[in-house]
Formats: sequence, structure tokens, C-alpha cells
Amino acid sequence: SQQGEEDPQALSIQEGENATMNCSYKTSINNLQWYRQNSGRGLVHLILIRSNEREKHSGRLRVTLDTSKKSSSLLITASRAADTASYFCATALTGGGNKLTFGTGTQLKVEL
Amino acid sequence: DGGITQSPKYLFRKEGQNVTLSCEQNLNHDAMYWYRQDPGQGLRLIYYSQIVNDFQKGDIAEGYSVSREKKESFPLTVTSAQKNPTAFYLCATMSGGAYNEQFFGPGTRLTVL
Repeated sequence: SQQGEEDPQALSIQEGENATMNCSYKTSINNLQWYRQNSGRGLVHLILIRSNEREKHSGRLRVTLDTSKKSSSLLITASRAADTASYFCATALTGGGNKLTFGTGTQLKVEL
Repeated sequence: DGGITQSPKYLFRKEGQNVTLSCEQNLNHDAMYWYRQDPGQGLRLIYYSQIVNDFQKGDIAEGYSVSREKKESFPLTVTSAQKNPTAFYLCATMSGGAYNEQFFGPGTRLTVL
């Protein structure tokens, strides 16, 4: 079964608005990562947040992690049409070594 | 996608035929991975290799086989035993030790007719 479950499954917003997507997971993690996938392409790594971190920023991206609730959120500020893609969270489980477990993804559509 | 190549981009095969998907990397990464992605779904791990001449089953290894004879190459064979082989297949690598980010190839879309 999937370790990460994302919410919402799909999100449609206007350009300039903020987009927030959430990820919940089940077991203890070393870190949580967010990836982006354009339609029919490979995934691109966006940001990694370690289990001892609570918030991380990268450009227009802000990620939070709440290990007590086993959840993370990805905020994209001032969205652009080019942000249209699917976004996946992936967890590196404690003791899981080199493996990542991916969530089901959020499809984001940013309209002009 | 830079540094990881997957070929071909689209592949069509008849039911009952084995098919091998190529994955090559020039990133000098030790670990390599194969994932399967079905429409609207997340990625599921098929096989992974942390070092040359060694590999482990992932969550959905049945009907698939791999080899890791060279650091640069990690081919995946989809055998006739795989019941639903039509999917998008992604190869990835990871640098350094554990708990790092993964780098993905562009993917191969396999359609079995």
C-alpha cells in the first residue's frame, strides 16, 4: 500500500494564487521529499525536508513537516501556468535505506 | 532528465513476448531503481540495485527481471508472466549514501497489444 496519501487529488487555481497540497504518511521517516512530474515525463526533485526540520523554503516553494501528525504540506506561492503538473511526496523510511515510497500525487492545474 | 537515458520512449509489444527496457546513466551513481506508474497513480517500486552485481526486489517484482553487470546500466525485462504490463516505466538513480534525492529518466511507455 502507498505510504503517502496526498490531498487533494486534483486542484485547479488561477495564475497568481497560492496552491497548497498535503501529504500524510504512516510510519517513522528519515526525510520527506517532494517531486514534480509534467505529463508523460520523468519526475524532478523539488525539495527535501528532514525529520528534525519543521519548515523549509526554496524559491516560491514552502514545505512544512509535522512528524507528530505524520503529515507534510507543499505551498507554491504566486503560481504560474508553468506550475501545472503532478506533485508527489515521497518518504524515506527510518531503516529503509535507499528506498523511497511515493504517494498518489496531486494534479495541479494553473489557469491563466 | 539529464544524465539518465531510457530507450525507447514508446514501445509496443504483442502479448506473450518478453521485452527489455534500457536505462543508462552517466552520473556515477551507485544506486538505481525501476518504478512502474499506472494512469493517475503514484510510483511503485519494481526492483532496485545498490551496487553492481546486486539487486533486490521491490513491492511489485513478480513478472519482471533485472541485471546490474555495469554501474552505468540497469536493464529491466518485462516477461510474459507479468499480467498487466502496459504502463509507464521510470528509471531513477541515487547518489551517495542512503536518504538522498533520486534523479529520474524520461520514462518508457510500454503498450502490450
